[in-house]
Amino acid sequence: RKEVEQDPGPFNVPEGATVAFNCTYSNSASQSFFWYRQDCRKEPKLLMSVYSSGNEDGRFTAQLNRASQYISLLIRDSKLSDSATYLCVVNSPLADKLIFGTGTRLQVFP
Amino acid sequence: DAGITQSPRHKVTETGTPVTLRCHQTENHRYMYWYRQDPGHGLRLIHYSYGVKDTDKGEVSDGYSVSRSKTEDFLLTLESATSSQTSVYFCAISVGGTNEKLFFGSGTQLSVL
Repeated sequence: RKEVEQDPGPFNVPEGATVAFNCTYSNSASQSFFWYRQDCRKEPKLLMSVYSSGNEDGRFTAQLNRASQYISLLIRDSKLSDSATYLCVVNSPLADKLIFGTGTRLQVFP
Repeated sequence: DAGITQSPRHKVTETGTPVTLRCHQTENHRYMYWYRQDPGHGLRLIHYSYGVKDTDKGEVSDGYSVSRSKTEDFLLTLESATSSQTSVYFCAISVGGTNEKLFFGSGTQLSVL
């Protein structure tokens, strides 16, 4: 089992839609969780950290479910500019490093 | 903007030649990283550095070496490039430690023919 798994998508949604991605992780001792956004041929950019109680940043909401070992990202009122690949990142306590998922591709259409 | 510059942005080289990629940062961050990104894989850690002359291997370090003689520069060297090292290479810094959020440079597209 991969340490961090994501549905590769693509998720094709119309503008204004709400879309959610999940990411599962294998190590129950993981403590740090992030969502990154990566545009085509660009570097990943931090979208948001994920906190235990859940957190929101504008149209973006991140949740952590420790019991089921997954994190989620919810995007409300999707914009064309949200089209990108969303990377889930979780720390590996054993290796003391961050592990990246392969990403979920989102395509928002008019 | 975390003040990270990677050079070159693109490089084409031949199998067996040495290649050095440079990462330069302007904000005196202690932790620096080299990742590679390939289709079907998440970003994979090649090497990282805790500070000047303090480096360690990541999960895919074979065929790569690094050096950090100054805080601001972290060099990645492919001693003898192979086609399997064709990839996009990203340098990153973190503020605070190895499990903290990362900020990336713009990447280097390397093609080994």
